[in-house]
Amino acid sequence: DGGITQSPKYLFRKEGQNVTLSCEQNLNHDAMYWYRQDPGQGLRLIYYSQIVNDFQKGDIAEGYSVSREKKESFPLTVTSAQKNPTAFYLCASSTILEETQYFGPGTRLLVL
Amino acid sequence: KQEVTQIPAALSVPEGENLVLNCSFTDSAIYNLQWFRQDPGKGLTSLLLIQSSQREQTSGRLNASLDKSSGRSTLYIAASQPGDSATYLCAVSDLSGAGSYQLTFGKGTKLSVIP
Repeated sequence: DGGITQSPKYLFRKEGQNVTLSCEQNLNHDAMYWYRQDPGQGLRLIYYSQIVNDFQKGDIAEGYSVSREKKESFPLTVTSAQKNPTAFYLCASSTILEETQYFGPGTRLLVL
Repeated sequence: KQEVTQIPAALSVPEGENLVLNCSFTDSAIYNLQWFRQDPGKGLTSLLLIQSSQREQTSGRLNASLDKSSGRSTLYIAASQPGDSATYLCAVSDLSGAGSYQLTFGKGTKLSVIP
């Protein structure tokens, strides 16, 4: 089955710890995106990548980092600099020409 | 900066009713508009995509319209069913400063269909 997978489903972060959220797609999409969703809020763009080894900051990139070493993978690291990391994180992908984005099931990050 | 507003924030209707969800956006220079569905604790599923040159799109019991000049879109759901209960998100696509298309989302309308 083609699609986007995110892991883990739930992630717990301790104070001062960096954590990495996984996003993998087998849709052969060039573009990948990371969004953050807070209760009662719309999705906000953290980072996006249109091609391997290249990525751009979105609206709320501070405290986050990404890499794009493979077309299929776009991991997101939530660093200790992100002071309010509790949120639902969604990964998406699309072709460059097709604007519809396909979303993964999400990872919920909680702070211990 | 593009802003997307969805009204109402929550809606509760009895099963079988027809209903309309509203979306407005501040910058009419959009590339397209999409409606998504989100179930609790899940990712987003695309329902309908309307290109900026189109006026409406239909899929089954769903019909979405777009009036780009006034910055408005509506999602019409006919003969609502309990399975339609979810949050519906509107998103517009426009060119970012980096030359790529980006989505700006509204906060969503939470729909409850009562059996």
